[in-house]
Amino acid sequence: GENVEQHPSTLSVQEGDSAVIKCTYSDSASNYFPWYKQELGKRPQLIIDIRSNVGEKKDQRIAVTLNKTAKHFSLHITETQPEDSAVYFCAARGTEGKSTFGDGTTLTVKP
Amino acid sequence: NAGVMQNPRHLVRRRGQEARLRCSPMKGHSHVYWYRQLPEEGLKFMVYLQKENIIDESGMPKERFSAEFPKEGPSILRIQQVVRGDSAAYFCASSQSSGVFNEQFFGPGTRLTVL
Repeated sequence: GENVEQHPSTLSVQEGDSAVIKCTYSDSASNYFPWYKQELGKRPQLIIDIRSNVGEKKDQRIAVTLNKTAKHFSLHITETQPEDSAVYFCAARGTEGKSTFGDGTTLTVKP
Repeated sequence: NAGVMQNPRHLVRRRGQEARLRCSPMKGHSHVYWYRQLPEEGLKFMVYLQKENIIDESGMPKERFSAEFPKEGPSILRIQQVVRGDSAAYFCASSQSSGVFNEQFFGPGTRLTVL
């Protein structure tokens, strides 16, 4: 089955700096890669996603890149703000419905 | 337009009791997915259901766990004879249709504590 690894597990940055979270996946059949933000005690919320036929996607301060050959994808957050502090999860999806998640990255943005 | 609803939000059970978790999908959604999240871990897929059908239950333990999504009413995740290791947050998500690219909207989760 699919296996998703996520690094780092914790990340601390100063406000205004950039943050990068990286994920690798094992199943070459995976073709959809969403990223979720989860605040403490809350539900995961989709923040950006990318399909396998796209190499990069950007939405304001958030961007995601995908390298299908190397089977890795990354989340980039620029100009970080304290409200960006949360746990971020990457996921990979191949067969319909079933998403495999990474173990999460706890991002702390220091004011 | 209400989002995905789950109840109860918190559930405490003693070892050996049964836990029933309910999930009402978003209006117009007929696909439901259940995930389990252990403390400080990612979400693990358990089961995918459409109305009256289990599509993929590859992530669900073979014993004590069952799920249903009846024609009327919410989806139910049932855990029989709970053990301490079942303590976790259980999230359900719903989508409007099947397909790899369909967004899954998550509910607020049920936090199960087994004493």
